[in-house]
Amino acid sequence: SQELEQSPQSLIVQEGKNLTINCTSSKTLYGLYWYKQKYGEGLIFLMMLQKGGEEKSHEKITAKLDEKKQQSSLHITASQPSHAGIYLCGADLIQGAQKLVFGQGTRLTINP
Amino acid sequence: EAGVAQSPRYKIIEKRQSVAFWCNPISGHATLYWYQQILGQGPKLLIQFQNNGVVDDSQLPKDRFSAERLKGVDSTLKIQPAKLEDSAVYLCASSLSGLNSPLHFGNGTRLTVT
Repeated sequence: SQELEQSPQSLIVQEGKNLTINCTSSKTLYGLYWYKQKYGEGLIFLMMLQKGGEEKSHEKITAKLDEKKQQSSLHITASQPSHAGIYLCGADLIQGAQKLVFGQGTRLTINP
Repeated sequence: EAGVAQSPRYKIIEKRQSVAFWCNPISGHATLYWYQQILGQGPKLLIQFQNNGVVDDSQLPKDRFSAERLKGVDSTLKIQPAKLEDSAVYLCASSLSGLNSPLHFGNGTRLTVT
């Protein structure tokens, strides 16, 4: 089974709607990273969360870390076509290792 | 700052042939990673370098894959001989040393093995 599970695997929303993507770990999180990937391209770093309860925002994207639940959520407010792509969570699961294990990704489609 | 550079962008080979990928990390980034991303899945770590030393290659299929990072800067990843299941995107990433430094990824090399 996956060490990091993302849900949903795919999501189709109407432009302007809000949405949430979840990432759950089976192990202790020592750092949680969110990336976005467009088809045929590399991963673009969005945000990094380190401490339980931490919340970060960039433009219309907010990420939160629930350390006790070993879970993170990514919330997009008032979605736009530019938000379409694959969202990946990556995590440090070994303290001090500085290497990321990734979830399987969530494919987001925005309908106009 | 310039990002992580990878080449080639695309490569098509027949099974049992060999192939090599090249990566130039962001200047000053001591840690370099190679990930394999199969279509529809998240990236999987193949090998991690710290300067020119290997930190973790536990998931590298060493019977056919090899990687090196001479002089602690550029890196090459080689597959010999390739199998059909090696078809994937090979992503190179680099990061600063130290905890909680985000990885910065290149655009990847898409390999198709026929």
